[in-house]
Amino acid sequence: QMTQSPSTLSASIGDRVTITCRASESISHWLAWYQQKPGKAPNLLIYKASNLYSGVPSRFSGSGSGTEFTLTISSLQPDDVATYYCQQYNSYSWMFGQGTKVEIK
Amino acid sequence: EVQLVESGGGLVKPGGSLRLSCAASGFTFNSYSMNWVRQAPGKGLEWVSSISSSSESIYYADSVRGRFTISRDDAKNSLFLQLNSLRAEDTGVYYCARDPSIISGWSYYFDYWGQGALVTVSS
Repeated sequence: QMTQSPSTLSASIGDRVTITCRASESISHWLAWYQQKPGKAPNLLIYKASNLYSGVPSRFSGSGSGTEFTLTISSLQPDDVATYYCQQYNSYSWMFGQGTKVEIK
Repeated sequence: EVQLVESGGGLVKPGGSLRLSCAASGFTFNSYSMNWVRQAPGKGLEWVSSISSSSESIYYADSVRGRFTISRDDAKNSLFLQLNSLRAEDTGVYYCARDPSIISGWSYYFDYWGQGALVTVSS
């Protein structure tokens, strides 16, 4: 199981934003983060917990291992309005978190 | 440029069947594991199924095991999902997605996604 929090988040432009995912058992570093905008397919942001995918702005970062992981946006921008999902792998099963909708205050 | 294009979606009655296709281009299809992920209207993402590059390893979510079948035709650079015994809760957009590993077989995440195919199960 994956527990992602918060489910919604409202912040101001320039704010530091953190989203958390907790796994029910250790998944080592097998965690990825995706951004999805309405009507579009998800886009990969972070893989293996902390690796920034090619072309993704450096304001995005990931950290964690084992059971607790975070996605941080260092300075929220208007283009970051979207829903963010974590995704784990464990024992031949892939699982997504419930999603976090990020809005501008 | 990597492209994944799904097709085959549509309206089907409960208990019916549908076959989704995903046409791949811009990369060596037979070297990559591939996946299906779905999203019910207004809901989150749900992993459905995965297949290794050699088709030796196939995995399913509990919610679809026994009803859905994943397959691939490397000669046609295509991925398929056969959906049988469809239920209302199978309604949603179905995405095909690539696993980026070409060495160990699996990286366990998805780097490229198609635009999705809508499946609606309703009487």
